[in-house]
Amino acid sequence: RKEVEQDPGPFNVPEGATVAFNCTYSNSASQSFFWYRQDCRKEPKLLMSVYSSGNEDGRFTAQLNRASQYISLLIRDSKLSDSATYLCVVNTGRGGGGFKTIFGAGTRLFVKA
Amino acid sequence: DGGITQSPKYLFRKEGQNVTLSCEQNLNHDAMYWYRQDPGQGLRLIYYSQIVNDFQKGDIAEGYSVSREKKESFPLTVTSAQKNPTAFYLCASSIRSGTAASYEQYFGPGTRLTVT
Repeated sequence: RKEVEQDPGPFNVPEGATVAFNCTYSNSASQSFFWYRQDCRKEPKLLMSVYSSGNEDGRFTAQLNRASQYISLLIRDSKLSDSATYLCVVNTGRGGGGFKTIFGAGTRLFVKA
Repeated sequence: DGGITQSPKYLFRKEGQNVTLSCEQNLNHDAMYWYRQDPGQGLRLIYYSQIVNDFQKGDIAEGYSVSREKKESFPLTVTSAQKNPTAFYLCASSIRSGTAASYEQYFGPGTRLTVT
């Protein structure tokens, strides 16, 4: 089982739709969580951190469910410019101290007019 | 403007040649990282450095080497020992690294290396 798993998609949605992605992680001791956005052939860019209480930034809402070990990203009122790959990122402690960052393979989203 | 720069954007090399990828940051970040990304896969950690003059192997360090002589710079050398070097290489930095694992990473624009 992969340490971080995402549905690769693609998700094809019309403009204005609401779309949600989930990401599951295997290590219950994981400590911090992020969503990144990556456009085709570009670098990942931080979209938002995911807090235990959940957080919202405009049309984007991220939530964490520690009991079921997943995080989610909800995008409301999708725009054409939201088309991208969304990467789930999990930080997990390493044996001996420090932590490691694990990237999911990403979920592709296409928003169509 | 603060940020991370990588050069070159595209790099072509013949098999058997070593090649060094540049990564510079002016964010005053302590920690720096190198990843490679292959199509359809997540980023995989090659090396990371938490402080100047110190670095650790990541998950796929074989065939790569790094140095961290300055806080701002973390070059990666892809040696001829790396069996499948063609990939998208991404450098990242974060304020610091350590047991408080909440520090987000910021990425440079990447270098696409093609070895033939």
